[in-house]
Amino acid sequence: SAVISQKPSRDICQRGTSLTIQCQVDSQVTMMFWYRQQPGQSLTLIATANQGSEATYESGFVIDKFPISRPNLTFSTLTVSNMSPEDSSIYLCSVEDNTQGLYFGPGTRLTVT
Amino acid sequence: GNSVTQMEGPVTLSEEAFLTINCTYTATGYPSLFWYVQYPGEGLQLLLKATKADDKGSNKGFEATYRKETTSFHLEKGSVQVSDSAVYFCALSDTSGTYKYIFGTGTRLKVLA
Repeated sequence: SAVISQKPSRDICQRGTSLTIQCQVDSQVTMMFWYRQQPGQSLTLIATANQGSEATYESGFVIDKFPISRPNLTFSTLTVSNMSPEDSSIYLCSVEDNTQGLYFGPGTRLTVT
Repeated sequence: GNSVTQMEGPVTLSEEAFLTINCTYTATGYPSLFWYVQYPGEGLQLLLKATKADDKGSNKGFEATYRKETTSFHLEKGSVQVSDSAVYFCALSDTSGTYKYIFGTGTRLKVLA
């Protein structure tokens, strides 16, 4: 099973600023996924990050707001840009195992004031 | 489109009580079905899965059976413990090869000693 770490684990940010979240996996993976979990709600897929190509964004999410980097097969970053209070969420990095489904990182709890 | 519906929480039970959390789905084709658990302050963990009709997934005393005729995947445990207190998410994986997972809204379980 994949072990995923994320940094920071939590942060409190002022509106208008940006935060970059890092995700590290202990094995090489083709695709990494970024999810958002808003308070009391389910998970929503933001984008899929492939190494060596641009991320694929889901409806309602755009690259200018959530730029993603994927420099190698074990690492990815998600930036939340020009933050507003509506961006307060838990952001989760995940990878897929072909037989076991998704593995998730511990999440980054973001509060925007 | 594909969707997952799970019973609303919170569910409050006494220790050693029987647990059922209902989950129904709508999907084209034959998705894989999952239950994930999120303990307080942690990321999501895969609890169990089933990949075809009549499969039973089981782990840590929890069970769920893939019922195609009723499009259901209800989670059950015969005797819950305080340590089972968490949020439980039902999910399905898209069978179109797009690597998309659809999550239910989560059901919070609180077990009292």
